[in-house]
Amino acid sequence: KQEVTQIPAALSVPEGENLVLNCSFTDSAIYNLQWFRQDPGKGLTSLLLIQSSQREQTSGRLNASLDKSSGRSTLYIAASQPGDSATYLCAVREGGSEKLVFGKGMKLTVNP
Amino acid sequence: DAGVIQSPRHEVTEMGQEVTLRCKPISGHNSLFWYRQTMMRGLELLIYFNNNVPIDDSGMPEDRFSAKMPNASFSTLKIQPSEPRDSAVYFCASTPTLAGTEAFFGQGTRLTVV
Repeated sequence: KQEVTQIPAALSVPEGENLVLNCSFTDSAIYNLQWFRQDPGKGLTSLLLIQSSQREQTSGRLNASLDKSSGRSTLYIAASQPGDSATYLCAVREGGSEKLVFGKGMKLTVNP
Repeated sequence: DAGVIQSPRHEVTEMGQEVTLRCKPISGHNSLFWYRQTMMRGLELLIYFNNNVPIDDSGMPEDRFSAKMPNASFSTLKIQPSEPRDSAVYFCASTPTLAGTEAFFGQGTRLTVV
């Protein structure tokens, strides 16, 4: 059974820091990995999608990498801002099915 | 496109009542997912459909829960009878059929059973 882990569960940093958020998964047979952002009381907003054949994807200050063989992904946030405060979730799309399996998320607080 | 649309946004009901949550996926998306989110368990997949057919309902917690997708543009998740432990945020998501594509989520329905 695929399990997705995000550690730590919460992180508080001062504004301007470069951040690395970690995600690990137990079964490397995946179609893709997706990073989401969730603001309090809101739905999930897709940030980046990395296909299983790709190593990384970039969007603005965000860069996500994927090492499928080791079951790891990282989300890099450059020059963090208070507006980046949210919960970040990673999810993998299982190979052989269309299930999207989520980690429990990491709550990020960026202090001004 | 307006994205995935869920209704209602909030629902408060008494224990024992029937609750129906609704979802309209993005037009052209053939896969639809229902998730439940709680603080304790995070996001749990309840059921998903492909081309209106339920593919995996192993996440449905018990027989009180049922889901239907009568056509490509509408799905319902029903709880009958509802219990306080069903209180959670229920999300619907859709993707195009191909597994390698992005999933889009609705804004969720916050259900409170008192």
